[in-house]
Amino acid sequence: DADVTQTPRNRITKTGKRIMLECSQTKGHDRMYWYRQDPGLGLRLIYYSFDVKDINKGEISDGYSVSRQAQAKFSLSLESAIPNQTALYFCATSDPVAGAGELFFGEGSRLTVL
Amino acid sequence: AQKVTQAQTEISVVEKEDVTLDCVYETRDTTYYLFWYKQPPSGELVFLIRRNSFDEQNEISGRYSWNFQKSTSSFNFTITASQVVDSAVYFCALSEHSGANNLFFGTGTRLTVIP
Repeated sequence: DADVTQTPRNRITKTGKRIMLECSQTKGHDRMYWYRQDPGLGLRLIYYSFDVKDINKGEISDGYSVSRQAQAKFSLSLESAIPNQTALYFCATSDPVAGAGELFFGEGSRLTVL
Repeated sequence: AQKVTQAQTEISVVEKEDVTLDCVYETRDTTYYLFWYKQPPSGELVFLIRRNSFDEQNEISGRYSWNFQKSTSSFNFTITASQVVDSAVYFCALSEHSGANNLFFGTGTRLTVIP
């Protein structure tokens, strides 16, 4: 099994719908992240969490919210999806002591908003 | 503020050619880390290398090598004798010690190796 698991892997939805992307990890890392990838724009940070009680906005948090339910779980919500949120979403974890920024990524969740 | 620039959007080479992917970064920190990740067509992100700002030694790993030059703020990646399996999007990334070590990515370079 993958160390960082994202569900769903693919989702097609309609404008205005609420969507949740879930991420769970077995690496035991405190830090978790959500990134989005768009063609030609690389990966951009949406939200990050350094522990269960610590949630921080990234570069592009508007239109998104997150919940850190446990050390191992970090979910991303789109309260009212819009077409320009169509993208590939990645969850990641890191260990700041050993990894100094190295991220361990999930396999990605491809979201299409019609 | 931090910035990572990968000016080469797409590169095509014929198999067995050498290819260099450029990465230029900007940071005000004296302590930072540079990374390269590979994203093959299957979509996952694969870690290739991490280099800290105090270590300018070049590194070689098989057909891969990295040239870190603080004087030009560059961290270039060379693939020697390219193979079709090297076809992927390659991302350079920067994390700053003062920025809580969050990773900022360049826009990526798509490498196509033609058989």
